[in-house]
Amino acid sequence: GEDVEQSLFLSVREGDSSVINCTYTDSSSTYLYWYKQEPGAGLQLLTYIFSNMDMKQDQRLTVLLNKKDKHLSLRIADTQTGDSAIYFCAPNSGGYNKLIFGAGTRLAVHP
Amino acid sequence: NAGVTQTPKFQVLKTGQSMTLQCAQDMNHNSMYWYRQDPGMGLRLIYYSASEGTTDKGEVPNGYNVSRLNKREFSLRLESAAPSQTSVYFCASSFSAGTGGNEQFFGPGTRLTVL
Repeated sequence: GEDVEQSLFLSVREGDSSVINCTYTDSSSTYLYWYKQEPGAGLQLLTYIFSNMDMKQDQRLTVLLNKKDKHLSLRIADTQTGDSAIYFCAPNSGGYNKLIFGAGTRLAVHP
Repeated sequence: NAGVTQTPKFQVLKTGQSMTLQCAQDMNHNSMYWYRQDPGMGLRLIYYSASEGTTDKGEVPNGYNVSRLNKREFSLRLESAAPSQTSVYFCASSFSAGTGGNEQFFGPGTRLTVL
């Protein structure tokens, strides 16, 4: 089946930029989502990018898509302690709105 | 506007017991989904309902059944619980199951332990 891979852990200093990377296998993915999960909570949509775009910026968030290499990244500028959470990359798959989730990257922000 | 609600929040079962996880959404969405989340793994789709009256298997349907009771409600049933079904279960909904950038909204989850 289709697969999504992410690094499991990222530690950054408050105020620095964070970059979370994701690779996926389904070349037919049309929408690629980033979700955030805080401890004990459900998933919250952060942003998404359509497959015909290379970049999307949304306030502190920048998403880069390299469709040829099937690589997606999420950059968080001026990272704050409130950004500490697990971040999931989730491309859609199979011609439907079925999402394939990576294992998630745990972002730890320290002073 | 409550969004997606799930009950119960926590549940402990013994092997072989049955239970139903409830999910409801008040956003007038057509499509609903059930996922499970295990440590170190992403969410995996169990079943989904593209529209009222239809259900389809996802990636890991074995041991589960679903019912789309009406447009608002989508339940997940474990007929004979097994320890391998210990997990956090999330329900989600979206306006449709098409690929038009339909955001999925998630509930808070149900933490299930099977002893």
